[in-house]
Amino acid sequence: TQLLEQSPQFLSIQEGENLTVYCNSSSVFSSLQWYRQEPGEGPVLLVTVVTGGEVKKLKRLTFQFGDARKDSSLHITAAQPGDTGLYLCAGVSMIKAAGNKLTFGGGTRVLVKP
Amino acid sequence: NAGVTQTPKFRVLKTGQSMTLLCAQDMNHEYMYWYRQDPGMGLRLIHYSVGEGTTAKGEVPDGYNVSRLKKQNFLLGLESAAPSQTSVYFCASSFPSGGAGGELFFGEGSRLTVL
Repeated sequence: TQLLEQSPQFLSIQEGENLTVYCNSSSVFSSLQWYRQEPGEGPVLLVTVVTGGEVKKLKRLTFQFGDARKDSSLHITAAQPGDTGLYLCAGVSMIKAAGNKLTFGGGTRVLVKP
Repeated sequence: NAGVTQTPKFRVLKTGQSMTLLCAQDMNHEYMYWYRQDPGMGLRLIHYSVGEGTTAKGEVPDGYNVSRLKKQNFLLGLESAAPSQTSVYFCASSFPSGGAGGELFFGEGSRLTVL
């Protein structure tokens, strides 16, 4: 079983501060996805990183895939209250089995206070 | 655009009762999934389907059954509910994809409490 560990589990910061969320595994993944989930809703895809060492930016969010494709990070610059939510990383297995099955991390709950 | 719709949104069951959660998607996706979400454990895959008439087990299939009789619908059944099945259940769907993994589109969730 492939496991993804996210840290920290909970992060509370003031508006304008920066934050980083980590997603680590001992397994290699074909690609990694980041989702954000708001209360009462399902997760929504933010980004997919595919290549080892890849960096993707989405406005104030920066996503990085580790060189060995075992870990990833999400960095938010100048966080805003609208960034509040549960952030989930999800790995796509290297095994080419049918189904697009994802392994999800435990999630990081981010609270940005105004 | 409805996307992925789950019914019911909330349900309270007594131990031993049975129920079915219905998921419907209008995006013509081949793949559909049922996940459960528990605090601190992220999302765990219960069952999934890669096409009409097919189903397969995920990480935590015990105590659940599924059916995909129509491409747009994916049903999750609990034959004899247990308190350990208290959770929020999410249905998702996607197109088939290669190594990059396809984007999963999720419903809003169904909160189930088993007393």
